[in-house]
Amino acid sequence: DQQVKQNSPSLSVQEGRISILNCDYTNSMFDYFLWYKKYPAEGPTFLISISSIKDKNEDGRFTVFLNKSAKHLSLHIVPSQPGDSAVYFCAALNQAGTALIFGKGTTLSVSS
Amino acid sequence: KAGVTQTPRYLIKTRGQQVTLSCSPISGHRSVSWYQQTPGQGLQFLFEYFSETQRNKGNFPGRFSGRQFSNSRSEMNVSTLELGDSALYLCASSPGQGYTEAFFGQGTRLTVV
Repeated sequence: DQQVKQNSPSLSVQEGRISILNCDYTNSMFDYFLWYKKYPAEGPTFLISISSIKDKNEDGRFTVFLNKSAKHLSLHIVPSQPGDSAVYFCAALNQAGTALIFGKGTTLSVSS
Repeated sequence: KAGVTQTPRYLIKTRGQQVTLSCSPISGHRSVSWYQQTPGQGLQFLFEYFSETQRNKGNFPGRFSGRQFSNSRSEMNVSTLELGDSALYLCASSPGQGYTEAFFGQGTRLTVV
């Protein structure tokens, strides 16, 4: 049973617009979440994280929102750029702090 | 500072063979984790080592094993390869204390024929 779910396999957005990638989790004990970006033939690259004591974290064009009651988080990219086209993975840190539990990823395509 | 280095980058093996993959973490990092990425399943956790001890293991058969050396380098071994083991194997390192994020290598693409 998947504990971290990214229900949209793909998302297409025009350059300059906002991209919103969504992620749901089932385990209410998760308290640290991360987003990774992955290009083909490369390893995932860390983007941004959020602790459960916060509901928002910003880093430049990237903002992550956490809604603990809904067990939902989202990544907002504003403005979207063609170079943002990649697979985005949502991950939760397990309670022991020793493993990341990933969603299956969302492929973002930003057209110019 | 050098990143996470995985060798080899590509590997082709025959069913029934065994394979060993290597990972050198970022200098000073003591935790190394391994993940398997397949198109249908995303990234799945295999195991994690810290100071030569396996701290956590994912839901994979015993054919998958690993170890970590005193210099934090890690190896992963898969015995009796099956076609379904074809995947991208990713290694990630982190300091191991006060976990924030893991840094991934480029991965080893294993193809089993």
